[in-house]
Amino acid sequence: EDQVTQSPEALRLQEGESSSLNCSYTVSGLRGLFWYRQDPGKGPEFLFTLYSAGEEKEKERLKATLTKKESFLHITAPKPEDSATYLCAVQAVESQGGSEKLVFGKGTKLTVNP
Amino acid sequence: NAGVTQTPKFQVLKTGQSMTLQCAQDMNHNSMYWYRQDPGMGLRLIYYSASEGTTDKGEVPNGYNVSRLNKREFSLRLESAAPSQTSVYFCASSSGTGFGELFFGEGSRLTVL
Repeated sequence: EDQVTQSPEALRLQEGESSSLNCSYTVSGLRGLFWYRQDPGKGPEFLFTLYSAGEEKEKERLKATLTKKESFLHITAPKPEDSATYLCAVQAVESQGGSEKLVFGKGTKLTVNP
Repeated sequence: NAGVTQTPKFQVLKTGQSMTLQCAQDMNHNSMYWYRQDPGMGLRLIYYSASEGTTDKGEVPNGYNVSRLNKREFSLRLESAAPSQTSVYFCASSSGTGFGELFFGEGSRLTVL
């Protein structure tokens, strides 16, 4: 069964304290891995797409990386406004039938204290 | 630029009542989706439409129906609401015909008593 696991479930950081969020996956036929940010009471907002192992994408204080089994979202010198839930999603091809699907992880809730 | 617009934002129903959640996108996207989000469960796909005139079941379609009214609009109907359908519902769209980068609406919070 295709699975996407995010860790930790919750993370508290002090402003300026860098850290990483993890997204591990077991899927066949990876098409792409996506990171989203979700603020309370809002819909997820797209951040990055990664397609192949070794790829990296950056946006402000965020950098996403991808290996064959996991992705990391690195947060450098976070600010309180980076507080949100970060979701990982993997697009894969079904082993039977060949149709595509998108599997979401449960998210990591990040809190950055001033 | 509105993006993806969902209505209503909040709704309370009694068990057995019916209702329709409306979704419209103004980005000329081909694909549209309905997800539900429950605590501890993550986002789960209910139905999707890869193009105007087509709809397909997702992971949790039971108890729901959808209509792709035109390229812009994709509605989700609960014919006989159950407490298990209490959730936050998100509509999303993407430019291609299969997933990729999704643009989400702000969500519709539904409570079934």
